Parts: sequence; structure tokens; C-alpha cells
Amino acid sequence: KAGVTQTPRYLIKTRGQQVTLSCSPISGHRSVSWYQQTPGQGLQFLFEYFSETQRNKGNFPGRFSGRQFSNSRSEMNVSTLELGDSALYLCASSLERLQETQYFGPGTRLLVL
Amino acid sequence: ELKVEQNPLFLSMQEGKNYTIYCNYSTTSDRLYWYRQDPGKSLESLFVLLSNGAVKQEGRLMASLDTKARLSTLHITAAVHDLSATYFCAVARYNNNDMRFGAGTRLTVKP
Repeated sequence: KAGVTQTPRYLIKTRGQQVTLSCSPISGHRSVSWYQQTPGQGLQFLFEYFSETQRNKGNFPGRFSGRQFSNSRSEMNVSTLELGDSALYLCASSLERLQETQYFGPGTRLLVL
Repeated sequence: ELKVEQNPLFLSMQEGKNYTIYCNYSTTSDRLYWYRQDPGKSLESLFVLLSNGAVKQEGRLMASLDTKARLSTLHITAAVHDLSATYFCAVARYNNNDMRFGAGTRLTVKP
């Protein structure tokens, strides 16, 4: 089985721009969750999608949004980028729920200048 | 507010020795996770613990959960160099849409 894929792998943007990151889960997995990792704040949970619905959401401003498509692929969007949004963004998929084993993608490294 | 504390933050071990990483959290939770991260790499899910007294083992790693003490441990048995990585615990409360990570324990296993 192919693993979780994330595109793009690296991205450079400037402040004020917006960005969309994509995550394709393992075939058959319906839950996709997103995480942000920075040196200062560490790992933080962004949100989880299941069957095209946001099921859980972490404590992030409204600039961070996401969606999930009928094929379970998910996108994450960050609008009006700030320097502090520079981070490694990870997505993970699981069969049904977050209490199952999650499989992580390689991450998208975003640099905001 | 849900807080998660991991200790130690840095751990240097000799091969063949045993050690334990601790994960304390501040309020009741629905589930507890352990992850591994190699330098410059993504996360790897190790264990998901759902109930009090849960114990899971994979190779030289064993995780346990005591919900009354709000404590989870990750025990390393007879460490080998390949276990060198950063280990994170995370605690989730989904009724409150809350999931918090520990700061991570950077483990180095020396020959």
C-alpha cells in the first residue's frame, strides 16, 4: 500500500500570502488529521477530518482552515501568512478514528519570509 | 487547561540499559499517544492507550497508562542504538476538542 503523501514538500512564501497544502491518505483511510511543528511551540494539533467533516479542531486562529474531499484527500489552507507560520506541517491518516494507529506523511516544510 | 509534561527532556543511555520516560498530564483525557521522530523526519505512531491500566509493547518499548495518576510511561528495555530518536507523548480530550503534546524526550543510545 502506498503511504501518506503530502505536497508540496517544501514551500517558500512571503508574509500576507496564502498557502494550500495537500494530503493524500492511505487508501481506505477516512480520517485525516493535521499538525504543526515549530521549534518554539513544538507539536500542535490543528484539526481532524472524517467523511468530509471537520470532527475536531485545535486552538488555532481562523486563518487556518481545511477541508476533506469525497476521496478522503485533504487540504489545509493558511491565509494572510505570518512569519510565525513557518513550520513543518504534518498530516496523518487512520482508518476511522484518532484512537487508531495513525500513519504520517513526510510533511510540508513552509518558510514564510 | 490541558497541560502535558514529559521528563526527562534529554536522555543519554548506554546500550543494554533500561530506562523510563514519563508523561504527566493535568486533566482527565480520552486517550494517550506515544510517537517517535527521527531527526529531520516525520512522526511515527508507536502506541495509543485508551483506558486505565492499558499496557502495550512493541519490541524493546512498552507503554502503560495510569489514568488515576494521570501518568503514562514509556519503558525502554535493553536499549540499542536504533532507538535513538525523540519521543513524544500526546494527550487528547475530544469532547473539548483538545489535544496537547509533550515537549519531547531526545534519547541518545551510546555503544
